[in-house]
Amino acid sequence: AQSVTQLGSHVSVSEGALVLLRCNYSSSVPPYLFWYVQYPNQGLQLLLKYTSAATLVKGINGFEAEFKKSETSFHLTKPSAHMSDAAEYFCAVSDRGNNDMRFGAGTRLTVKP
Amino acid sequence: KAGVTQTPRYLIKTRGQQVTLSCSPISGHRSVSWYQQTPGQGLQFLFEYFSETQRNKGNFPGRFSGRQFSNSRSEMNVSTLELGDSALYLCASSLAERTYNEQFFGPGTRLTVL
Repeated sequence: AQSVTQLGSHVSVSEGALVLLRCNYSSSVPPYLFWYVQYPNQGLQLLLKYTSAATLVKGINGFEAEFKKSETSFHLTKPSAHMSDAAEYFCAVSDRGNNDMRFGAGTRLTVKP
Repeated sequence: KAGVTQTPRYLIKTRGQQVTLSCSPISGHRSVSWYQQTPGQGLQFLFEYFSETQRNKGNFPGRFSGRQFSNSRSEMNVSTLELGDSALYLCASSLAERTYNEQFFGPGTRLTVL
């Protein structure tokens, strides 16, 4: 079964600094990969998804992620952090052909002024 | 287009009671999934319904059940509540199967079991 690991439960950056949130997956077949964001007292919102088109995926709010098969990674980046980016971020993986999706444990991003 | 709505937003129950949570998906969406979110276990998949049929079920005891109506609205029920059932319950809808389609999440129902 597929699984996903998010490295770092908490990440803190300064406003304007690079944001890098790490996600590694395991899957026996080419997966679908997703990044979601959750603001306090809200549900999850899709940032971006990889479904085997371009390996560099651009999402909303200036985020992007690169699918690296050799490293089984799908790290999320943003060149310049904004205070409004403070939230919890979840990486998710699903295997093609089965009906299962797994979420990572989440990474809480703090942005310091 | 209205988003996914969940009612109620907050619930307080006592051990042994049962509870029913409701989810109205985005118009036109036929798949509804339920998740339990807790600080300790994170996001865990409960079940998915598509066209009134349960397509997949997570690893939860039989006290957790759900159903979907012909208008795609869904309910989940938890019987004989335990303290450990305290959580944020999230509903998500998608056009088709959730595994490769974008899921749209509701704000959740926060259940507290005393």
